[in-house]
This record gives sequence, structure tokens and C-alpha cells, in this order.
Amino acid sequence: TQLLEQSPQFLSIQEGENLTVYCNSSSVFSSLQWYRQEPGEGPVLLVTVVTGGEVKKLKRLTFQFGDARKDSSLHITAAQPGDTGLYLCAHTSSNTGKLIFGQGTTLQVKP
Amino acid sequence: ETGVTQSPTHLIKTRGQQVTLRCSSQSGHNTVSWYQQALGQGPQFIFQYYREEENGRGNFPPRFSGLQFPNYSSELNVNALELDDSALYLCASSRDGGQGTGEQFFGPGTRLTVL
Repeated sequence: TQLLEQSPQFLSIQEGENLTVYCNSSSVFSSLQWYRQEPGEGPVLLVTVVTGGEVKKLKRLTFQFGDARKDSSLHITAAQPGDTGLYLCAHTSSNTGKLIFGQGTTLQVKP
Repeated sequence: ETGVTQSPTHLIKTRGQQVTLRCSSQSGHNTVSWYQQALGQGPQFIFQYYREEENGRGNFPPRFSGLQFPNYSSELNVNALELDDSALYLCASSRDGGQGTGEQFFGPGTRLTVL
């Protein structure tokens, strides 16, 4: 099993601050996905990164895939209370189609 | 287009009982996957169904079983419930026939509490 380690596990910040969460592994991936999950809901796909070194932006969220395709980061600029949630990275097992998730980073943004 | 729906939303059972959770896949989706998510953790893959057959299974004991119906909806059954089975159970559907090439869309989950 190709494990994904996320850090930090928990982050509590004030509105307007910047933050970065990390997703690391010793394995090489063809792609990595980032999800956000809000309380009482299932995970929602934010982005898929495919190419080593790739940077994708989604409004105030910036996603980067490591050059060696072993790690990824999510940077949020000027966090807002609406960004509160569980951020999960995941990869898809190539032969089964199952998603393998990291343990997640719980983000709390205080107004 | 209706998204993935799950029922019930919450359920309380006691140890040793059996439970059935239900999932209706998104319109046009032929593959259903089930995940277990402990509080504050990432989801863990239980199994996947395609063409009414199990198409891959995670590290879960045989007391976790499932079904898929001709309309692609699915059930997750858990026998002999244990305290550690308390979790959020998520269903996800996709249209890729279990190949992992398509996006999986998640339902809101069923919160199971075992006392």
C-alpha cells in the first residue's frame, strides 16, 4: 500500500492568515488528488495534479505537485472561515480504482 | 442531475447487531465504492461494486458485505457489529467501470454509532 502522510494534522488560524499543508510519500504517483470535506458531508474533489512540478490555482488555493511526484502541497492565501474543513490528499490505485487517502489536515479558521 | 444519496443519515446500534446501509449512485454512474471514515481520519476503502459484482476489496473482514442492484444502487451490510465499527460510512459513485479513470462523487455518509 502506498501511504500518504499529511501534516500538520490540525491547524487553527485567524482569518486572513496564510497556511500550507503537506502530503508526503516515499512512493511515486502518476497523480494526486486534493479533497475538502465539510462536517456532515462527503469529500469533494478540489484538484488533480498530474505532472511533476505542476502548480494549479483555484481562487485563493494553490496546489503543487513535487518534481519527483512523491509529494504535494496546498497553500491557502488569506484564509476565510469558509475554508474550515478537513483537507485530504489521495491517490487512485491503478489496478483497482480505489482511492487511498491520507489521514487529513483539519483546518479551523476563526473569524 | 441527482447526486449520490445515502440512507439513513444516522444510526445507533448495539454490539452484535446487524446493519444495512443504502446508497443511490449519481445518474449515469455504474460503479459504487464504499469507505469507512473514523472521526478526524481519512476514509478507508472497504470495497467496490461494478456490474453487480465485487470489484476489489480493502482490508476489512468478511462480516462486511455488499450488494449492487441492476439500477446501480448499492447496500453495505455489517454483521456482528463491534464498537470499532462506529464511523462515518461513505458511498462514492463513478462512471469508469472501476478502472480508476473517472472522478468519484461522494454521498454525505451514514453516521453509525455502536454502543
